[in-house]
Amino acid sequence: ETLMTQSPGTLSVSPGERATLSCRASQSVGVYLAWYQQKAGQAPRLLVYHASTRATDIPARFSGSGSGTEFTLTISSLQSEDFAVYYCQQYLDWPRTFGQGTKVEI
Amino acid sequence: QVQLQESGPGLVKPSQTLSLTCTVSGDSISSADYYWVWIRQRPGRGLEWMGYIDYRGSTYYSPSLKSRLIISRDTSLNRVSLNLSSMTAADTAVYYCAREPELRAANDYWGQGTLVTVSS
Repeated sequence: ETLMTQSPGTLSVSPGERATLSCRASQSVGVYLAWYQQKAGQAPRLLVYHASTRATDIPARFSGSGSGTEFTLTISSLQSEDFAVYYCQQYLDWPRTFGQGTKVEI
Repeated sequence: QVQLQESGPGLVKPSQTLSLTCTVSGDSISSADYYWVWIRQRPGRGLEWMGYIDYRGSTYYSPSLKSRLIISRDTSLNRVSLNLSSMTAADTAVYYCAREPELRAANDYWGQGTLVTVSS
């Protein structure tokens, strides 16, 4: 099973600032890496897949990068609606596995 | 527009079996290449991937749940079901169904989730 580790656990930023979230896999997952956003009381929403491809209707301020074992999600200029918890997920192997999440707070 | 809707009991007693249903609209669960997965989230915790049933009816379960989990489908009703036996308080969680549209794809559609509490 591939272990996914996210850092930091909590990221405190101000609106308009850049946020950089990290995700590390215990073994290579190629580019089979997704990022999800989850707001309180809601289901996760797909933001990025294949490490760097934005999902439908996702704003350009969200960008993903990386391959192998090291991945980054960057939010270029945080908007109020971006404060949420972000999860990475590998989908190379079964079982699929998620990171523990990064909370982006004001 | 694809929609997934989970349903089931909100309260289950310890040692009982949880049965949940995910009804899919806007697409067929038998459509080629689709994987229908269950994911849960314990209170205040992260996401735990549980298992899938695919378009052919094949299943795979997370090793940590394999002994207690069964995922099935009813193609005539276009729904997927989860049965989790020997429930304990540690199984209290929000249970989500989601779609993986092909092998090695991210989960593009999710249900809204259903909270299941295990308590006597």
